[in-house]
Parts: sequence; structure tokens; C-alpha cells
Amino acid sequence: NAGVTQTPKFQVLKTGQSMTLQCAQDMNHNSMYWYRQDPGMGLRLIYYSASEGTTDKGEVPNGYNVSRLNKREFSLRLESAAPSQTSVYFCASTRDGIAAPLSYEQYFGPGTRLTVT
Amino acid sequence: AQSVAQPEDQVNVAEGNPLTVKCTYSVSGNPYLFWYVQYPNRGLQFLLKYITGDNLVKGSYGFEAEFNKSQTSFHLKKPSALVSDSALYFCAVSPPPGSGAGSYQLTFGKGTKLSVIP
Repeated sequence: NAGVTQTPKFQVLKTGQSMTLQCAQDMNHNSMYWYRQDPGMGLRLIYYSASEGTTDKGEVPNGYNVSRLNKREFSLRLESAAPSQTSVYFCASTRDGIAAPLSYEQYFGPGTRLTVT
Repeated sequence: AQSVAQPEDQVNVAEGNPLTVKCTYSVSGNPYLFWYVQYPNRGLQFLLKYITGDNLVKGSYGFEAEFNKSQTSFHLKKPSALVSDSALYFCAVSPPPGSGAGSYQLTFGKGTKLSVIP
């Protein structure tokens, strides 16, 4: 199993450009997440999808949109990139649990390192 | 709102010595608590979790953590550190089920860099 895969691994954008980060998991997980990691800030949740067809905002959703394309794939879009969005982006997924969705560990992808100039 | 504090940005320990990485939390009700490890240029990997039951939780690579409800702490420990344990460690908390939308959200600490010196 590949687990959680992310593309691209690296990306450089100019201010105002758009791009989509792709994420896919092959573990049949229902819940998927997008985080950003900044030095000294830990991981902050951008958006999550508790099941196919649903998405919800996390702690820092401004400037981002997401699409849960199907059960496997969860994409993150930057419509107009800003230097403040320079970060490392991680996708994660977890086994479904309607009653206790976060009693299970999250599986993380390798990350996308994004630089906005 | 839930929160996690990792009071030490960096912990240095000699190889073979015991190590402790500290974590305290704030959440209503009985929390779910997790430790993750991140090696350079990699995603996070799950180490262990506390959901309910025994306060001492054992996890991967010889790590364990002790849940202390009165002190709202969940410190990560290992009896004998290895150089290969050098990495960034994250504590995370989620609220218990039935807490509403926040039940789907893990809150991470800022991370503690562990350096094991040969």
C-alpha cells in the first residue's frame, strides 16, 4: 500500500498565481485533512472532510478551498497565492469512526513544500 | 477551545539516558491524546495514543506516555535514548465524541526538537 500520497513535492509560485495540491489515500479511509506546518507553529488544520461529499473549515481556512473528489482524493486549492501561504502542506487521513472519529491515528503524506514569492 | 502546550522547544539528552518530552493540555471533558514524531523532510508518524483505561500507554519504538488527569499532562518517555530518536515530537489533543464539529479536529502542540547526543 502507498498510504497517503501528495503531489507535487515542491512548488514555487508568484504572488497571485493559483495552484492545486493533490492528495490521495488507498486505505479506504473516510476522513481526510489538510494541514499547514510553519516553524514554531506546529500543525494547523486548514480544512477537513469527515466523509465523501462533506468538507468543513478548520483553524486557518482563509485563502484556501478544498474538494473531496471521491473517497480517495482530497485536493487543496490556492486561488491567489500570497507570501503568507509559504509553508509545508500535509494531507492526512484516518479510519472512519462515526461515534469517535478521532480515536484513531492519522496517517500523513510526505508533504508539499510551497514557496510564494 | 482545546489547546496543547509543549513547554520545551528543544530537549538534549545523552544516548542511553532516559528522556522525557513534556506536554500539557486544556480541553473540556475526557480528552483523546496523541504523540507523533516527524523525521526531517518527512510527514508525521503516529507513536501512541491515550483514549481510556490504563494511564501508562506504550507505543512504537519503545516509547511510552503517562496520562495524568489532575496535572492535565501527557509526557512522553523512553528509558534509554537512541541517536535515531532524534526528531521533532508533537503532542496532540482532540475532544471526546459528542463535542460537535470539534470532534473532528486534532489540535497540535508546537513541537519539541529532541537531540540525542552520542
